[in-house]
Amino acid sequence: SQQGEEDPQALSIQEGENATMNCSYKTSINNLQWYRQNSGRGLVHLILIRSNEREKHSGRLRVTLDTSKKSSSLLITASRAADTASYFCATDKGTSGSRLTFGEGTQLTVNP
Amino acid sequence: NAGVTQTPKFQVLKTGQSMTLQCAQDMNHEYMSWYRQDPGMGLRLIHYSVGAGITDQGEVPNGYNVSRSTTEDFPLRLLSAAPSQTSVYFCASSYYKETDTQYFGPGTRLTVL
Repeated sequence: SQQGEEDPQALSIQEGENATMNCSYKTSINNLQWYRQNSGRGLVHLILIRSNEREKHSGRLRVTLDTSKKSSSLLITASRAADTASYFCATDKGTSGSRLTFGEGTQLTVNP
Repeated sequence: NAGVTQTPKFQVLKTGQSMTLQCAQDMNHEYMSWYRQDPGMGLRLIHYSVGAGITDQGEVPNGYNVSRSTTEDFPLRLLSAAPSQTSVYFCASSYYKETDTQYFGPGTRLTVL
C-alpha cells in the first residue's frame, strides 16, 4: 500500500475559504513533500518539510508535520479558483536507496 | 530554462507496436526518472537513472526500456505496446537523488488499442 495517503479524496469549497488536506504515512520518514497537479499537467513541487520541522510556510500555504501521529497537513488560506488541482504528498524514509512514495492525492475544487 | 520537456503530448498505438517517449531537461540534473499515473494508483516509478550511463528498474519496469547516454536525455521505450500500458507518463528530474525536489515534465497521454 502507499506510504502516504491523502485525506479527503475530494474537497469542494468556495473561493475565499481555507482548504485543509491531510497526509498519513506508516513508517518513519526523512522528508515529506507536497506537490500540486493541475488538470492535464505535470506535478509541481510546493513545499518540503523535514522530519525535525513542525511547520513551514510558503505564501498562502502552511504545512505542518506531526511525526508522533505520522501525519502532515497542507492548509491553503483564502483559496482561489486557480487553486483547483490535485494535491499529493510524497514521503521518503531517508535510508540508503530510499524511494519517494506518492499518495493518490486530494482533488480540490474551489468554486468561484 | 525550459525545465523538463516531453514529446509527444498524446499518442495512440495499436497492440504490439513500439515507440519511444522522449524526455529532456536543461537543468543539469543528475537524477531522472519515468513514472506512470493511473486512476486510483497514484504515481508509480518505472525506471530511473542516477547519471549518464547508469539506469535501474523502479516499481513497474516490465515492458519498458530506458537508456541515458547524456545528462540531458532519458528516453523511455515501449517494446511491444499492450492495452495495460494505457496511462499518462511523466518524466521527472532532480539534482542528485530521487528524494530531492522533483521537477516534472508535462506528461504524455498514451492510449494502446
